[in-house]
Amino acid sequence: DVVMTQTPVSLPVSLGGQASISCRSSQSLVHSNGNTYLHWYLQKPGQSPQLLIYRVSNRFSGVPDRFSGSGSGTDFTLKISRVEPEDLGDYYCLQSTHFPPTFGGGTKLELK
Amino acid sequence: EVQLVETGGGLVQPGKSLKLTCATSGFTFSNAWMHWVRQSPEKQLEWVAQIKAKSNNYATYYAESVKGRFTISRDDSKSSVYLQMNSLKEEDTAIYYCTKHPGFDYWGQGVMVTVSS
Repeated sequence: DVVMTQTPVSLPVSLGGQASISCRSSQSLVHSNGNTYLHWYLQKPGQSPQLLIYRVSNRFSGVPDRFSGSGSGTDFTLKISRVEPEDLGDYYCLQSTHFPPTFGGGTKLELK
Repeated sequence: EVQLVETGGGLVQPGKSLKLTCATSGFTFSNAWMHWVRQSPEKQLEWVAQIKAKSNNYATYYAESVKGRFTISRDDSKSSVYLQMNSLKEEDTAIYYCTKHPGFDYWGQGVMVTVSS
């Protein structure tokens, strides 16, 4: 299985500040069709995960432009600018290029 | 509005069975590929199973950890997907979510399954 390594595990931030989360895969996530199926989710306390970014850099419906995704191959980054209180929670990356789909271990975004 | 609602969780003894239901609305269910994902008490997310649409012969896929014990199915007339869980083990204890393809874009609220004697 593809191993997804997220860093850091915990990320203290100040409101209005910027946050950056890394996700690295044990093998390239470029599919044979040329697409890269790397997605990002936020799980707020007591809620289910919600899709933020799909296929590396595409914001899902309703996601503010403070969230941006980038990367290629095996190295991906989620950036959050101007952090707001509703951004706090656990962030996960997911790869669905290779079977089975696998998740990163999560990054907890919390107040400094 | 897309909605997914899971039911059927609970406390069950090791070796017993449980069946989860995910009722959906707000999208064309018959064309959708559906997944079950679980989240352990340690908050690790794990993909469990997938079922494709009728046009793909309802093909199913499973994580190695549940293969032979869990069965995913669907009823397009009810816009619902199911997870039959047999021979449950303590390590199956988790919150179970249904979610839709592609991109696992919408998730239900989840249902807790606790396997304990």
